[in-house]
Amino acid sequence: EPEVTQTPSHQVTQMGQEVILRCVPISNHLYFYWYRQILGQKVEFLVSFYNNEISEKSEIFDDQFSVERPDGSNFTLKIRSTKLEDSAMYFCASSDGTSVGTQYFGPGTRLLVL
Amino acid sequence: AQKVTQAQTEISVVEKEDVTLDCVYETRDTTYYLFWYKQPPSGELVFLIRRNSFDEQNEISGRYSWNFQKSTSSFNFTITASQVVDSAVYFCALSDVTGGFKTIFGAGTRLFVKA
Repeated sequence: EPEVTQTPSHQVTQMGQEVILRCVPISNHLYFYWYRQILGQKVEFLVSFYNNEISEKSEIFDDQFSVERPDGSNFTLKIRSTKLEDSAMYFCASSDGTSVGTQYFGPGTRLLVL
Repeated sequence: AQKVTQAQTEISVVEKEDVTLDCVYETRDTTYYLFWYKQPPSGELVFLIRRNSFDEQNEISGRYSWNFQKSTSSFNFTITASQVVDSAVYFCALSDVTGGFKTIFGAGTRLFVKA
């Protein structure tokens, strides 16, 4: 069964550094999402992406964040200058738009900012 | 606005007990989807079930069952004869038209099943 993949599974970085989290959505999917889960808290929506542009973003998704689909398969989340509070699990998800409302989640990238 | 409330923060049961996890949702849409996910200690989100707003039939899958009641905006999840491997955090979630079909998660219920 096709699945969403994410790399790396874990990343440790220093405060102020840039990080790029990578996702490979399911191949025929058109809608892409990033979510964040701070340790012990609920999963929160960050951003949705369709047709090469952001469809919606939450208030968490400030100017430090950006998303990109650099080629036909990858979907990336960049954090320009990481802060301690960016430490979290980041989940990518994708949807084909026909099973409306159903998103397939990747395994997550655990980011630790020191 | 969309909202999902899981009032139970933590539940602890002894193996073989039945346990029900509560979920109450809010949406103004008539078309929406409800989900349950399991998050084991390893951290991934394991999809358990999806329900659309037009299908109020209850569902059973092995030891898992779900009770969807639109009249009370609830989508409760019951595990029958719980096992230690059921220990995890369980999230109820909602996706609707107004929300652009992004997934709104509840705060989660941490289930401890003791041997």
